[in-house]
Amino acid sequence: DTGVSQDPRHKITKRGQNVTFRCDPISEHNRLYWYRQTLGQGPEFLTYFQNEAQLEKSRLLSDRFSAERPKGSFSTLEIQRTEQGDSAMYLCASSLLGDEQYFGPGTRLTVT
Amino acid sequence: KNEVEQSPQNLTAQEGEFITINCSYSVGISALHWLQQHPGGGIVSLFMLSSGKKKHGRLIATINILEKHSSLHITASHPRDSAVYICAVSFYNTDKLIFGTGTRLQVFP
Repeated sequence: DTGVSQDPRHKITKRGQNVTFRCDPISEHNRLYWYRQTLGQGPEFLTYFQNEAQLEKSRLLSDRFSAERPKGSFSTLEIQRTEQGDSAMYLCASSLLGDEQYFGPGTRLTVT
Repeated sequence: KNEVEQSPQNLTAQEGEFITINCSYSVGISALHWLQQHPGGGIVSLFMLSSGKKKHGRLIATINILEKHSSLHITASHPRDSAVYICAVSFYNTDKLIFGTGTRLQVFP
């Protein structure tokens, strides 16, 4: 098992562009989480899935953000019309129900 | 008020020193997590505990449910322990993590 992977690792985009990030969880994990971390702060919860169902979304997840996990395996996080305030590290984690979470390396987004 | 508070925010130590990082939380939880984050972003889960004490190598984590407080101890600290240590909590109806702001530890030779 190769752990949780995320792609891309780094993304630089111009304000107003759309970006999409991908997360591949550990294969048998039914839960998948997205978090966002800005410099010097702890991560903040964005959303999570159990299999393909999106069970909770944070108020931080404005209507410009959408996440999917179509077949209960990989997940995508899309940000439309990016703003400079979206610049952050986007972290994905996966777990079995009630178990510890395993984190991917993150995608660092810079909006110029 | 943050639901998860950590102290200290920054900590420096000499190699070999015993280190303690504290975490307090304000709500009922199902579990408390200690995580380690190295420069570059990767986060590794160190402990997940709901009561008592856990030990792994030189790391020890304790939790007092009644006082809503947890500590992470590092014995015989080493420069490779330098990292940010983050406390997080999860709840009975959801496994999402609520994180503290982290403690930046630097251990000098």
